[in-house]
Amino acid sequence: DAGVIQSPRHEVTEMGQEVTLRCKPISGHNSLFWYRQTMMRGLELLIYFNNNVPIDDSGMPEDRFSAKMPNASFSTLKIQPSEPRDSAVYFCASNPGQPMNTEAFFGQGTRLTVV
Amino acid sequence: KQEVTQIPAALSVPEGENLVLNCSFTDSAIYNLQWFRQDPGKGLTSLLLIQSSQREQTSGRLNASLDKSSGRSTLYIAASQPGDSATYLCAVRRTAGGGNKLTFGTGTQLKVEL
Repeated sequence: DAGVIQSPRHEVTEMGQEVTLRCKPISGHNSLFWYRQTMMRGLELLIYFNNNVPIDDSGMPEDRFSAKMPNASFSTLKIQPSEPRDSAVYFCASNPGQPMNTEAFFGQGTRLTVV
Repeated sequence: KQEVTQIPAALSVPEGENLVLNCSFTDSAIYNLQWFRQDPGKGLTSLLLIQSSQREQTSGRLNASLDKSSGRSTLYIAASQPGDSATYLCAVRRTAGGGNKLTFGTGTQLKVEL
């Protein structure tokens, strides 16, 4: 398996624009996670899905952020409208879900810069 | 709320030295703990996963220990090499009632010098 695949790797956009980040989890993994990493706050969980259903979105910072998982092999994280403070590296991760004693695997991340 | 702390925040050592990275967590109701490595501009690579029922796990020059009751884990790196230079992150997974999610520490930035 190629691992968790994220696209794009880098995104530069102007404030106010819509940004869509994409993630393909490892085949067979039932849990998918979106994390954000900044220098100030480290790695923060935004949302996670289990069997395509959002389980915990308490980390989503504002209504400008939304995430979907229309099927087991694809997820998106959308920011609309984007703001400079959204600049960060966004990681997607997946794991089998069950049993719980399994590793989480991370993608390479999307570095977002909002100017 | 689970809080994970890593000490030190940064560490610089000469090549060949054995070193210990520390991770502490406030809620001992964890399912497992995972150590990751992150190279600059890269994603996270899983190093070791240690279950709550285990005391330690080993992989090559790496050894992770876990003392769940005291809320501590250590990552021991033997005979450090320049290629070990990276940021090391620990993360805990809460018990099933807390959901299948990881809470990360702030990381230890390691530099191994020639």
